[in-house]
Amino acid sequence: EAQVTQNPRYLITVTGKKLTVTCSQNMNHEYMSWYRQDPGLGLRQIYYSMNVEVTDKGDVPEGYKVSRKEKRNFPLILESPSPNQTSLYFCASSLGVGTTEAFFGQGTRLTVV
Amino acid sequence: SQQGEEDPQALSIQEGENATMNCSYKTSINNLQWYRQNSGRGLVHLILIRSNEREKHSGRLRVTLDTSKKSSSLLITASRAADTASYFCATDEDSNYQLIWGAGTKLIIKP
Repeated sequence: EAQVTQNPRYLITVTGKKLTVTCSQNMNHEYMSWYRQDPGLGLRQIYYSMNVEVTDKGDVPEGYKVSRKEKRNFPLILESPSPNQTSLYFCASSLGVGTTEAFFGQGTRLTVV
Repeated sequence: SQQGEEDPQALSIQEGENATMNCSYKTSINNLQWYRQNSGRGLVHLILIRSNEREKHSGRLRVTLDTSKKSSSLLITASRAADTASYFCATDEDSNYQLIWGAGTKLIIKP
């Protein structure tokens, strides 16, 4: 089954404690991206990757890091989380940008206290 | 990247009625997509319409695209309670690297 798998689904952490949200896709997609979704602000892109070892900043990259060492995986790293990073996070993958459908993970609800 | 605009922001209708939501964008596009999001869940792709297409159907969904007005509409016919969700449009306007997302329309179907 074609899918994007994010883990964990829910996470509560404390300010400053490094964390990683994993994302894996099984469709051999080249394009992957991370979004955060906040009430009233819609979907905002954090980082995206056009292919292995190629990553770029989206609209709200501050406080986040990503890596793309393998085609299937695109982890999101918060080196020192802060309360303003409390949000719902989504990973997505697609063959291209806008030319084909994007597949989304189920989301990670992160709370930073 | 600026968001596209969707209206209405929220729509509440009776089950069985048709629901129409609109999306506008700013510059030229190659493709426009519609997605559905059930509360707190991942987005699910509904339909993609290319810039040279004017109308597309998928089951109870009908999407139109008017490139002269830079707008699209999503019509859901004979709505069901399970259609309750938020609906988003996304375009590839101005960019080969990012999708531009609308703010979404929250649709509530009353039984």
